[in-house]
Amino acid sequence: GENVEQHPSTLSVQEGDSAVIKCTYSDSASNYFPWYKQELGKGPQLIIDIRSNVGEKKDQRIAVTLNKTAKHFSLHITETQPEDSAVYFCAARRGGQNFVFGPGTRLSVLP
Amino acid sequence: DVKVTQSSRYLVKRTGEKVFLECVQDMDHENMFWYRQDPGLGLRLIYFSYDVKMKEKGDIPEGYSVSREKKERFSLILESASTNQTSMYLCASSLSGETLYFGPGTRLLVL
Repeated sequence: GENVEQHPSTLSVQEGDSAVIKCTYSDSASNYFPWYKQELGKGPQLIIDIRSNVGEKKDQRIAVTLNKTAKHFSLHITETQPEDSAVYFCAARRGGQNFVFGPGTRLSVLP
Repeated sequence: DVKVTQSSRYLVKRTGEKVFLECVQDMDHENMFWYRQDPGLGLRLIYFSYDVKMKEKGDIPEGYSVSREKKERFSLILESASTNQTSMYLCASSLSGETLYFGPGTRLLVL
């Protein structure tokens, strides 16, 4: 089955700096890769996603890149702000309804 | 806005008790999911349902059952709670099988 690894587990950056979180997946048949942000006391919320036929996608300060050959994808946050502090999860979906999530990255943006 | 609500934010139960976790969504979504969230393990799928009275096992169904009698409601049942079921439980729904909309979670402590 699919296995998703995520690094780092914790990340601290200064406000205004960039943050990068990396994930690798094992099943080459996976075709959809979302990223979720979980703020304290809330459920995860989708922030960006990418499909396997696309190499990069941007939404304002957030971007995701996908390397299908290497089976890894990354989340890039530029000009970080305190409200970016949260736990971020990557996920991979092979098809159907079943997602496999990474273990999560706790991002702290220091003022 | 999609709203997914869970019946309790915090729950304390005794070993051997039968526990019901309720989830309701208000967007007429076909698909509903129960995940378990543990530190360092990410989100793991317990059960999901793609239609009323239909259910499918996820990755960790042992010790759990589910019920979906109405489209908007998906219940997770711990038949006989054990201490290793102490965790955060997240319910989610989706329309297309892509974007998951999560509830705020139920933190369950089994003593």
